[in-house]
Amino acid sequence: QSALTQPASVSGSPGQALTISCTGTSSDVGGYNRVSWYQQHPGKAPKLMIFAVNNRPSGVSNRFSGSKSGNTASLTISGLQAEDEADYYCSSYATSNHWVFGGGTKLTVL
Amino acid sequence: QVQVVESGGGVVQPGGSLRVSCTASGFSFSTFGMHWVRQAPGKGLEWVAHMSFDGRNQWYADSVKGRFTISRDSAKNTVFLQMNSLRDEDTAMYFCSRDSNWSFDYWGQGTLVTVSS
Repeated sequence: QSALTQPASVSGSPGQALTISCTGTSSDVGGYNRVSWYQQHPGKAPKLMIFAVNNRPSGVSNRFSGSKSGNTASLTISGLQAEDEADYYCSSYATSNHWVFGGGTKLTVL
Repeated sequence: QVQVVESGGGVVQPGGSLRVSCTASGFSFSTFGMHWVRQAPGKGLEWVAHMSFDGRNQWYADSVKGRFTISRDSAKNTVFLQMNSLRDEDTAMYFCSRDSNWSFDYWGQGTLVTVSS
């Protein structure tokens, strides 16, 4: 299984909205509604932000939302805040009982 | 509250073996599948292995299949990763995570495995 494709970096100003894409294939992202997103600050463990494409765990800000179209999933962060600066990873369940991650996107708040 | 705590990392020579552990608390361990995910220094996340809630099914990334074995002891709320024939490229932080809705919903802080001569 190949890694999902994410942009290496994105940036935005406080208060803006931005979207991170995650492109896979029909064997992973496109084939299942089992895409999740993770936030990781330096030196910390990843934190689940979105599961099953567009569901937020309890305690995650509603500024974070997820969607999917075909083989591409997206994470949108609205009202960007300084604390959102982190690495973001998408993940999907894949055929043959595997999971695959994206390469990660570094979000910079300008 | 839900907690998972990894242990057992260390330095091992290429070709050697190591077993890392993950002890869970705060939830009904026997009703959740568990994962191991790793992150090489400065790199992204890589899924390594999954064990189903009942221990009947184990699934592995191609990069570790045949060398790593995941197991669990429900009496001790612990999941293990036995790593054999270790290679330089297995050097990473190894995270344990609970499976929920096909996602990784709770993570430990990780245990560092370094393969070096």
